[in-house]
Amino acid sequence: SQTIHQWPATLVQPVGSPLSLECTVEGTSNPNLYWYRQAAGRGLQLLFYSVGIGQISSEVPQNLSASRPQDRQFILSSKKLLLSDSGFYLCALAGGPIPFYEQYFGPGTRLTVT
Amino acid sequence: KNEVEQSPQNLTAQEGEFITINCSYSVGISALHWLQQHPGGGIVSLFMLSSGKKKHGRLIATINIQEKHSSLHITASHPRDSAVYICAVPSKSSGSRLTFGEGTQLTVNP
Repeated sequence: SQTIHQWPATLVQPVGSPLSLECTVEGTSNPNLYWYRQAAGRGLQLLFYSVGIGQISSEVPQNLSASRPQDRQFILSSKKLLLSDSGFYLCALAGGPIPFYEQYFGPGTRLTVT
Repeated sequence: KNEVEQSPQNLTAQEGEFITINCSYSVGISALHWLQQHPGGGIVSLFMLSSGKKKHGRLIATINIQEKHSSLHITASHPRDSAVYICAVPSKSSGSRLTFGEGTQLTVNP
């Protein structure tokens, strides 16, 4: 079965500092991968998704970028964090045939920008 | 864009009560997802359904494709059911991306 690892679990960073969040998956190959953000008291927002190595699509213009250097690795980055980047970041994958797929979520990273 | 609306936003119940959470969406879909987010933030998928009804333990999910409406029911609710329940449907532009409702915060008191 699919397993998603994310680290770090929590992070406190000052405004203007860089960011790197990592997501790795096990138990599947060539998955569709997703980065979501959940601001405090808000719903989930899709930030990026990837259908393969080096293939990244951005849903909303923002201060963040994503990369997929390996099939089972998905990285979320920023050169300079903003206060508005604070939130709960979730990595997810879609398993099974589209459109009847399951979505699996990682444990998340809680980012606080101070 | 497929809009997803959930109701109620917040729900407080006593242990043992029957719970219903509703989800409406605006565009035809192939499947709908119900997710549960625990207080710590972790999210698990409860159901993916495209028609009719699915049951898992005390949880029941139903969907009416014609009316663009789904419900999540919890029978004999328990304090451990306290969580945020989220409805999600495939994005109109791509079936592999989801559009999420704002979630329903459920609190079950002992």
